[in-house]
Amino acid sequence: SQQGEEDPQALSIQEGENATMNCSYKTSINNLQWYRQNSGRGLVHLILIRSNEREKHSGRLRVTLDTSKKSSSLLITASRAADTASYFCATDALAAGNKLTFGGGTRVLVKP
Amino acid sequence: AAGVIQSPRHLIKEKRETATLKCYPIPRHDTVYWYQQGPGQDPQFLISFYEKMQSDKGSIPDRFSAQQFSDYHSELNMSSLELGDSALYFCASSLERGRSTDTQYFGPGTRLTVL
Repeated sequence: SQQGEEDPQALSIQEGENATMNCSYKTSINNLQWYRQNSGRGLVHLILIRSNEREKHSGRLRVTLDTSKKSSSLLITASRAADTASYFCATDALAAGNKLTFGGGTRVLVKP
Repeated sequence: AAGVIQSPRHLIKEKRETATLKCYPIPRHDTVYWYQQGPGQDPQFLISFYEKMQSDKGSIPDRFSAQQFSDYHSELNMSSLELGDSALYFCASSLERGRSTDTQYFGPGTRLTVL
């Protein structure tokens, strides 16, 4: 089974609305990173949150981390059509090297 | 700012052929990772190198091998290609100095199609 799983698998919203997606993982982690991927293209790094952090902001992005629940959320505020993409969380687990384990991804469609 | 460079961007091969994918990490980054992303799937870790030494290994078939060279670029060699090897192959680099990972920056990927 995957280290990380995302919820929902797909999300369709109107431009200007907020989009929230969640990620759960199974083992203790060092860091959790969020990436965006446009269809069949590269992974763009959005934000890294460390295990001792609870919340982080970057522009219109807000990430939370709850290590007691082994979960994270990504909020995109005031969404734009250009935010249409798949969003992945990725964790690097303690005592498992620095490799990233990705969740299932959330496909976000922002309608103009 | 310089990003991770991968070449080629697209590659088409026949079954049982070999392929070599190249990755040029961000300058001064000391760690390189390779990931494979099948159609509609998550990226899966293959192998990583820190300071030119293999640091970790994931679900990489024995038909695949990789190395990191003195200039820090890395190559993923794939032999006896199978249809199931068709995927996007990503390289990522980070600056870790032997500690826990920092941000991993991904290249644009190489799309390998095996016919």
